[in-house]
Amino acid sequence: NAGVTQTPKFQVLKTGQSMTLQCAQDMNHEYMSWYRQDPGMGLRLIHYSVGAGITDQGEVPNGYNVSRSTTEDFPLRLLSAAPSQTSVYFCASSYTSARGRVGYEQYFGPGTRLTVT
Amino acid sequence: AQKVTQAQTEISVVEKEDVTLDCVYETRDTTYYLFWYKQPPSGELVFLIRRNSFDEQNEISGRYSWNFQKSTSSFNFTITASQVVDSAVYFCALGRNMLTFGGGTRLMVKP
Repeated sequence: NAGVTQTPKFQVLKTGQSMTLQCAQDMNHEYMSWYRQDPGMGLRLIHYSVGAGITDQGEVPNGYNVSRSTTEDFPLRLLSAAPSQTSVYFCASSYTSARGRVGYEQYFGPGTRLTVT
Repeated sequence: AQKVTQAQTEISVVEKEDVTLDCVYETRDTTYYLFWYKQPPSGELVFLIRRNSFDEQNEISGRYSWNFQKSTSSFNFTITASQVVDSAVYFCALGRNMLTFGGGTRLMVKP
């Protein structure tokens, strides 16, 4: 299993540009989430999905869109990049229970470091 | 709303010292889970432990131990005989599938 994969690893955008951060998981997890990490603030939830076709907002959703057409993929779209979106972005997946084992912990991808100038 | 507070932003110790990282949380849920993650300098997030709100037994895994006290809403993490490889940022988190994270504690272990 590759686990959770994210592309790209690094990205530099100019203010106003748009882009999509890709995230995929091959563990058949029902839950997927996007977090951003800023210095001193830990990780904050942007958007999450509880299954294909179902998404919802987290703590800091403004400026981001998501969709989940398959169980495996959960892309994050920046509509019009702003310097305040300079951050490290982590995608994660999780499950509630499987084969008698309780889950809930997040399986994280390696992260995407985004700089907006 | 849920909240996780890690009051110690940075801790510096000398190798072989014991160190405790504090975590205090707030939630109105009766069933919840608490987590610790490690983020080494390479940047990935490594899962360390999950604890549910009904299980207040302390847990030990090698040099790591966790003390969960529901009465004080705390879930503290102790590293015994710290090593340089323990240098990292440690995050405490709360929730189920979608987590609320504390701000993290940067631990520096000097040789």
